[in-house]
Amino acid sequence: AQSVTQPDIHITVSEGASLELRCNYSYGATPYLFWYVQSPGQGLQLLLKYFSGDTLVQGIKGFEAEFKRSQSSFNLRKPSVHWSDAAEYFCAVAPQSFQKLVFGTGTRLLVSP
Amino acid sequence: EAEVAQSPRYKITEKSQAVAFWCDPISGHATLYWYRQILGQGPELLVQFQDESVVDDSQLPKDRFSAERLKGVDSTLKIQPAELGDSAMYLCASSFGDYMTYEQYFGPGTRLTVT
Repeated sequence: AQSVTQPDIHITVSEGASLELRCNYSYGATPYLFWYVQSPGQGLQLLLKYFSGDTLVQGIKGFEAEFKRSQSSFNLRKPSVHWSDAAEYFCAVAPQSFQKLVFGTGTRLLVSP
Repeated sequence: EAEVAQSPRYKITEKSQAVAFWCDPISGHATLYWYRQILGQGPELLVQFQDESVVDDSQLPKDRFSAERLKGVDSTLKIQPAELGDSAMYLCASSFGDYMTYEQYFGPGTRLTVT
């Protein structure tokens, strides 16, 4: 079955430390890939997206993600986390054959001082 | 900066009652989406409009949910009757065109609690 998996429900990172959030997908072909962030009481905001080309994608707020076809992964990274990055992060995919975003269950990021 | 507006932000209703949510997309955005986000899960698309036409409502429980976008601008999502399992965040999003090319902008959501 087609699915999006975010294996980490919660992650705690110290401020200034690096961050990697995992996302794996299960689709027959390479789908379109997205990362969104949701801050408390707010809607989702697009951080970055991958359609094709360079497998390292740069996004807003200093985030980047790397598409690895062999691992069916699209992990989100940030070299130095700020307290304001505390939020919930969602990976989403869209099969190229039809238009519908499918979201993972999210990873809640906590930033410790 | 233009934003997607939603109201109300919070709604508490008793089961079997009717409830309605309103969304005003960013001006000029032809595509409008309604998502449901159950606590601990990611958003799930309920319905997608292109102007006033429904493009995808395959996940909309049509026995109790309805959505309209009569003039191709703002939209209303209705639940009648509400059930306990409908408690969730209802998110509206809009985009200039199809989301493959254009970013979806999300509103703050309406949190529904059914008692």
